[in-house]
Amino acid sequence: EVQLLESGGGLGQPGGSLRLSCAGSGFTFSDYAMNWVRQSPGRGLEWVSTISGSGTRTFYAEFAKGRFTVSRDNSKNTLDLQMDSLRAEDMAIYYCTKSTPKLGYCSSNSCLFDQWGQGAMVIVSS
Amino acid sequence: DIQMTQSPSTLSASVGDRVTITCRASQNINSWLAWYQQKPGKAPEVLIYKASTLASGVPSRFSGSGSGTEFTLTISSLQPDDFATYYCQQYNSDSRTFGQGTKLDVK
Repeated sequence: EVQLLESGGGLGQPGGSLRLSCAGSGFTFSDYAMNWVRQSPGRGLEWVSTISGSGTRTFYAEFAKGRFTVSRDNSKNTLDLQMDSLRAEDMAIYYCTKSTPKLGYCSSNSCLFDQWGQGAMVIVSS
Repeated sequence: DIQMTQSPSTLSASVGDRVTITCRASQNINSWLAWYQQKPGKAPEVLIYKASTLASGVPSRFSGSGSGTEFTLTISSLQPDDFATYYCQQYNSDSRTFGQGTKLDVK
C-alpha cells in the first residue's frame, strides 16, 4: 500500500523559513516524480513544485520560484520542501503527492496527482 | 497560466438525484483533465482522468466528458457517500491548475 507521510509543518514567521518532509513507502520511490500541492481557504488548491524521480529536474509555481526549494533523497525515500522568505499567503495545508507515469495520467508537460499524503499544516504568523 | 472555472460553487441535491458539475478552461487543454473528490479533513482523491476515464475503484455512477475547454462531471444517482467537494485540474500545461471547487451538499 502506498503511503505518503508529511512532517515538519508548524509555525513560521513572516520572512522566516520552514522545511517540510515527506516519507514515501509501498512503492519504488525513485521511479516516480513527486510533488507538493497546497490548499488554503482563500487560494484553494495550488500546485507548488514537482521533482523528477531522479531528482535532476525541478519545477515550481511562479509564487514558489526563488523562495522554495524541492529536493529528494531516494536512498531514504524522502521528499523535502525548503520554504524561505515566508509570506502570510503561504499559510496552507501542504500535501505531498505522487505522479504515476501511467497512460492518461500525464500529458507531455505535466501529470495529475494520483496519491496524496494526509497533509502538513503551515502557519505563517508573527 | 490556464484558469479553471467550475460551476456551480455549491450544489444542493438529494440522494438519488442526477447531478452535473461543469469545469471550463481558459484555453484548450485537449483532454488533460482530472476530477478529484475531497471529503472534510481528507486529501483529494482522483475520480476521473483524461476527462472521461474512471480511476480504479471509482463507482460507475461517476462519469466525465468533454474536451478542449469545457468539461462535465456527472453523478447519475447520488449516494450518501458522494456528498463532498469536487475539483477539476488541468495537466495540459506546466502550471497544473485547479478549479475552485464545487461543494455538493444535502438539500
